[in-house]
Amino acid sequence: KAGVTQTPRYLIKTRGQQVTLSCSPISGHRSVSWYQQTPGQGLQFLFEYFSETQRNKGNFPGRFSGRQFSNSRSEMNVSTLELGDSALYLCASSSQALSYEQYFGPGTRLTVT
Amino acid sequence: AQSVAQPEDQVNVAEGNPLTVKCTYSVSGNPYLFWYVQYPNRGLQFLLKYITGDNLVKGSYGFEAEFNKSQTSFHLKKPSALVSDSALYFCAVRDGRGGATNKLIFGTGTLLAVQP
Repeated sequence: KAGVTQTPRYLIKTRGQQVTLSCSPISGHRSVSWYQQTPGQGLQFLFEYFSETQRNKGNFPGRFSGRQFSNSRSEMNVSTLELGDSALYLCASSSQALSYEQYFGPGTRLTVT
Repeated sequence: AQSVAQPEDQVNVAEGNPLTVKCTYSVSGNPYLFWYVQYPNRGLQFLLKYITGDNLVKGSYGFEAEFNKSQTSFHLKKPSALVSDSALYFCAVRDGRGGATNKLIFGTGTLLAVQP
C-alpha cells in the first residue's frame, strides 16, 4: 500500500501570498489530521477531518483553513502568509474515526521570505 | 489539560548500551500514549502505543516502552542502541476531550544521539 503523500515537498513563498498544501491519505483511510512543526513551538495540531467533516481545529488564526474531499484527499490553505508560518506541515491519516495508529506523510517544508 | 512532557532535550548513549528516553503524562481519564520517531527531513514514524493491558509494550525496531500509572510515565527503552537509532523521538497522548478524535498532543521531542 502506498503511504501518505504530500505535495509539494518544498515551497518558498513571499509574505502576503497564500499557499495551498495537499495531502493524499493511505487508500481506504478516511481520517486526515494536519500538524505544524517549528523549532520554537514543536508539533502543533491544526485540523482534523473525517469523511469531509472538520471534527477538530487547533488554536490557529483564521488565515489557516482546510477541507477534505469525497476521496479523502485533504488540502490546507494559508492566506496572507507571515514569516512565522515557515514550518514543516505534516499530514497524518488513519482508517477510522477513532484510531490507535496514524500514519504520517513526509511533510511539506514551507519557507516564507 | 492533556499533556506530555519530555524532560530531556538530548540523550547521548554509546552504541551497544541500553537507552531510555523519558516521558511523563498528565491526562484526565484513560491515557492513550504513543511514541513516534522522526529522521531528518522526514515525517513521523509510529513506534508503539499503550492503550490498555500489559504495562510493557513492544514496538518496532526493537523498542519497547514501560507504562507506569503511579509515576504517570511512559519511558521508551531499547536494550542495545544502534547508531541508526539516532533521531528525534516524540511522546504523544491522544486528546480524549470533546469526544471522538484522533488529535495527538506531542511532547517537545528528545534528540537521541548514539555514538559509535
